[in-house]
Amino acid sequence: ETGVTQTPRHLVMGMTNKKSLKCEQHLGHNAMYWYKQSAKKPLELMFVYSLEERVENNSVPSRFSPECPNSSHLFLHLHTLQPEDSALYLCASSPGTNTGELFFGEGSRLTVL
Amino acid sequence: GDSVTQMEGPVTLSEEAFLTINCTYTATGYPSLFWYVQYPGEGLQLLLKATKADDKGSNKGFEATYRKETTSFHLEKGSVQVSDSAVYFCALSPSTGTASKLTFGTGTRLQVTL
Repeated sequence: ETGVTQTPRHLVMGMTNKKSLKCEQHLGHNAMYWYKQSAKKPLELMFVYSLEERVENNSVPSRFSPECPNSSHLFLHLHTLQPEDSALYLCASSPGTNTGELFFGEGSRLTVL
Repeated sequence: GDSVTQMEGPVTLSEEAFLTINCTYTATGYPSLFWYVQYPGEGLQLLLKATKADDKGSNKGFEATYRKETTSFHLEKGSVQVSDSAVYFCALSPSTGTASKLTFGTGTRLQVTL
């Protein structure tokens, strides 16, 4: 069983819906991340939350809204998405931000109709 | 800015063949380098890493050597198995090794057949 759990694994939504992706890590880590994985593109870092910093990729549209209530949980709230937002959304965690070693969840496959 | 370039896939090999997946990078200073692997239906897993020039990372029969003179970190395995079929990602982090600034390549799909 992975130390990073994402739900739902698959989500289909219309452009006017509001939904949320959830991530939970059971590793005692202090940093959590959202990445977007699209075909034939490098993984795109969307957001980072840690005790030391919160990082936002300025190119991420405001229709994606992160929430990190504590060090074990991370949400990605979705509203008025576009079809081009269809992708695999990966959550990851790490002990801190001073390492390149990330632990990924299995991802949430999002399809926007 | 930092960037990572990987060979286009898919790479198709027969079982027990020798594997090389090329990775080159552009970065200032002395980044740390990583290979991640993504098996079908799963998230990425760290496969190996190297933190300074001439370091060799190794795991599960895979190896990669940090070559600063050629800015490369090619992944190799002497004898691949069907179970190695996956997508392989090369990545770098800046000199401070900050995970929040990891830069990934586009990934190379490996398919191993019997």
